Amino acid sequence: GGIITQTPKFLIGQEGQKLTLKCQQNFNHDTMYWYRQDSGKGLRLIYYSITENDLQKGDLSEGYDASREKKSSFSLTVTSAQKNEMAVFLCATQTDSGNTLYFGEGSRLIVV
Amino acid sequence: TQTVSQSDAHVTVFEGDSVELRCNYSYGGSIYLSWYIQHHGRGLQFLLKYYSGNPVVQGVNGFEAEFSKSDSSFHLRKASVHWSDSAVYFCAVRDMDSNYQLIWGSGTKLIIKP
Repeated sequence: GGIITQTPKFLIGQEGQKLTLKCQQNFNHDTMYWYRQDSGKGLRLIYYSITENDLQKGDLSEGYDASREKKSSFSLTVTSAQKNEMAVFLCATQTDSGNTLYFGEGSRLIVV
Repeated sequence: TQTVSQSDAHVTVFEGDSVELRCNYSYGGSIYLSWYIQHHGRGLQFLLKYYSGNPVVQGVNGFEAEFSKSDSSFHLRKASVHWSDSAVYFCAVRDMDSNYQLIWGSGTKLIIKP
């Protein structure tokens, strides 16, 4: 088995601040995702990456940057935090067959 | 545009009852269907999947789902729920021509009464 570690679990910042979330995986999966989950809602794709140094925009990429410098890590930066984007951010990896996603525990963004 | 609809935001049943959580999709091509569970404050966990073959698929913890092409549905069922099944359940559809984009339903919160 493997594990996906998201840090920090809670990220508190001020409006307008640049904030970064990190995700580490030891599944050795190629594809990784960042999703945003607003309270009581489904998942919306922000960025995904199919291999090291690859970045693909999802439907919600505006206001975010991502980085995949190593196969095992995928980071997400909120370029200018806003109160209306307080949510839980979920990192996931995809099995090589493409059939299953494994998720981290999530990071909650709080903007004060 | 592909869509996934989970019509029930909340479903409440008693422990030991059977339950069905509904998922309908709109897409005409080749698709891959799956269900995930999310316990409070946690990430999502895979439950089961369907691509082809027997339309009834078995998952973990006694869950099963049935694919119906005619109804464009992939409903999740359990014969006898346990309090630990209290969670939010998400249905997801993947277009097989686009390996990376999953379309997610909005989730159904399953509440188990003692």
